[in-house]
Amino acid sequence: DVKVTQSSRYLVKRTGEKVFLECVQDMDHENMFWYRQDPGLGLRLIYFSYDVKMKEKGDIPEGYSVSREKKERFSLILESASTNQTSMYLCASSLFHRGQAGSAQHFGDGTRLSIL
Amino acid sequence: DQQVKQNSPSLSVQEGRISILNCDYTNSMFDYFLWYKKYPAEGPTFLISISSIKDKNEDGRFTVFLNKSAKHLSLHIVPSQPGDSAVYFCAASPFTGNQFYFGTGTSLTVIP
Repeated sequence: DVKVTQSSRYLVKRTGEKVFLECVQDMDHENMFWYRQDPGLGLRLIYFSYDVKMKEKGDIPEGYSVSREKKERFSLILESASTNQTSMYLCASSLFHRGQAGSAQHFGDGTRLSIL
Repeated sequence: DQQVKQNSPSLSVQEGRISILNCDYTNSMFDYFLWYKKYPAEGPTFLISISSIKDKNEDGRFTVFLNKSAKHLSLHIVPSQPGDSAVYFCAASPFTGNQFYFGTGTSLTVIP
């Protein structure tokens, strides 16, 4: 069974700090994703990566960057945290690109990030 | 602008009855659709998918229907069970690109 592990369930940081959210998957999946979930807005894609060292912007990349140095690990970086980045952050991975069997995303349990 | 919409934030159904969750989309380029279920304090889990070449896909108690002309899909759960109580998200993907677009979710409560 696929396991996507996010390093922290809850995190509290201060405005202006550089914040790292880590995600690891154990199934050799090509694709990895970072979303944020906010009430009334559903899941919004921040960045995704379809290969090591490759990344593409999602719908809301501003204020974020990502790093994928190894296939199993995808990190989300808040360069200078702001209060409007308080949210639930979800990492996901998938075997194939969309439209194919196996393209369904497997999610971690999320990181609840609060920026004070 | 929200390209995938779930207009009902919540739904309550008696145990044993049918639950129908609805999802509308605006982008005619979407051709692959999925439903996810999410329990509190857990990540979403994949439930069922459908490609635009089909209008129905069934998996046990779960059936997804796709009406391309209306840009509408629905998830039917029959019979509903208390363990089905969760938030359900629909998601859609265009035939170009690798991104999935999610709806805002519908919270289903199945009353014993």
